[in-house]
Amino acid sequence: SYVLTQPPSVSVAPGKTARITCGGNNIGSKSVHWYQQKPGQAPVLVIYYDSDRPSGIPERFSGSNSGNTATLTISRVEAGDEADYYCQVWDSSSDHRVFGTGTKVTVL
Amino acid sequence: QVTLKESGPVLVKPTETLTLTCTVSGFSLSNARMGVSWIRQPPGKALEWLAHIFSNDEKSYSTSLKSRLTISKDTSKSQVVLTMTNMDPVDTATYYCARIVREGGPAAHFDYWGQGTLVTVSS
Repeated sequence: SYVLTQPPSVSVAPGKTARITCGGNNIGSKSVHWYQQKPGQAPVLVIYYDSDRPSGIPERFSGSNSGNTATLTISRVEAGDEADYYCQVWDSSSDHRVFGTGTKVTVL
Repeated sequence: QVTLKESGPVLVKPTETLTLTCTVSGFSLSNARMGVSWIRQPPGKALEWLAHIFSNDEKSYSTSLKSRLTISKDTSKSQVVLTMTNMDPVDTATYYCARIVREGGPAAHFDYWGQGTLVTVSS
């Protein structure tokens, strides 16, 4: 089965840039979606199809995808960005939706 | 306004069968582009996709849980139902349903999620 690997945690100072990676075999050939989950809440879509932002998501959130790594970038990090972040793809060989292992972003 | 809401028991005993219902509004399960997935999250752990169903009754299941899962829909009631047999304490989790809209192809994202329902498996 297809596996997506994320770093368990990322720490960043307010106003700086956080980069969260999502590793998978040839992930650049897949469409990657990113979700933000705050404690006790359901996940919220923040990036879809690698780099598109849903309405209402700040421009500070951006995404890229190439080779074996997809990246979610949060610029000018704010305290409210502290959350868990998950990448997700569709694995065409199995018709399965796959989530990454999740990354906890801590704002220092 | 699109909403999804999960319902079901909060506590089940080991070996029992869990039945969860996702009631949707703001869209129709008969719409050719629409699908619903079930996803779970054990306390403090990552999201795990379980199953999905689309309007044409196309279904897919997690390989590791396939033998225990059944997903179905009742379009007239706007409901998607997931059953999981032989429940075990390791199945304790928050269970979410989420919508997929296959506009650009099958690799679509989950655009709306339910609030989730916590199911505890304990005797």
